[in-house]
Amino acid sequence: LAKTTQPISMDSYEGQEVNITCSHNNIATNDYITWYQQFPSQGPRFIIQGYKTKVTNEVASLFIPADRKSSTLSLPRVSLSDTAVYYCLVGNAGNMLTFGGGTRLMVKP
Amino acid sequence: NAGVTQTPKFRILKIGQSMTLQCAQDMNHNYMYWYRQDPGMGLKLIYYSVGAGITDKGEVPNGYNVSRSTTEDFPLRLELAAPSQTSVYFCASSYLQGASYEQYFGPGTRLTVT
Repeated sequence: LAKTTQPISMDSYEGQEVNITCSHNNIATNDYITWYQQFPSQGPRFIIQGYKTKVTNEVASLFIPADRKSSTLSLPRVSLSDTAVYYCLVGNAGNMLTFGGGTRLMVKP
Repeated sequence: NAGVTQTPKFRILKIGQSMTLQCAQDMNHNYMYWYRQDPGMGLKLIYYSVGAGITDKGEVPNGYNVSRSTTEDFPLRLELAAPSQTSVYFCASSYLQGASYEQYFGPGTRLTVT
């Protein structure tokens, strides 16, 4: 399984754009990059998944450079309700999900 | 759809007691999983199942047992509870197996062993 490295914590303010970068230097050719969000006392929730370039959905964008050794989750105009832990996972159909420590995002008013 | 449901929400056990954590899903997913999450940490896989009648160990299976008699249900059994099993337990399901497929998580069961 590709090991991922992401910042332990980040602070932001309401209305700002937040970018969380994840490093995965040994990503395999058939690996996908997936981000989950977890609020306190809740199970993780799927946010977005991508393989290369850029993916956008109603809540976030995922930027993946050509070498795929890193990825950046972008949350536009965050609000207090975006305060959560964000997990970056890398794997494919043959792997189990392996959660690291995640990035604890604190959005301040 | 109710999604993934778990019962109970909270439980306190004494050392040496046993209990079963219930998990059910109504999405007709073949794959189901049990994770534990210790405070401030990520999730660790305990057991998983690829379909009724088939289960397999994850990263931290010791002290736990599972069964999968139906597609919908995947109970987790704790025998001889120990303080080290104090944790939050999450059940999840997915249509296909693997890290590239979305998993749906239940609300969790907070277990304390004293």
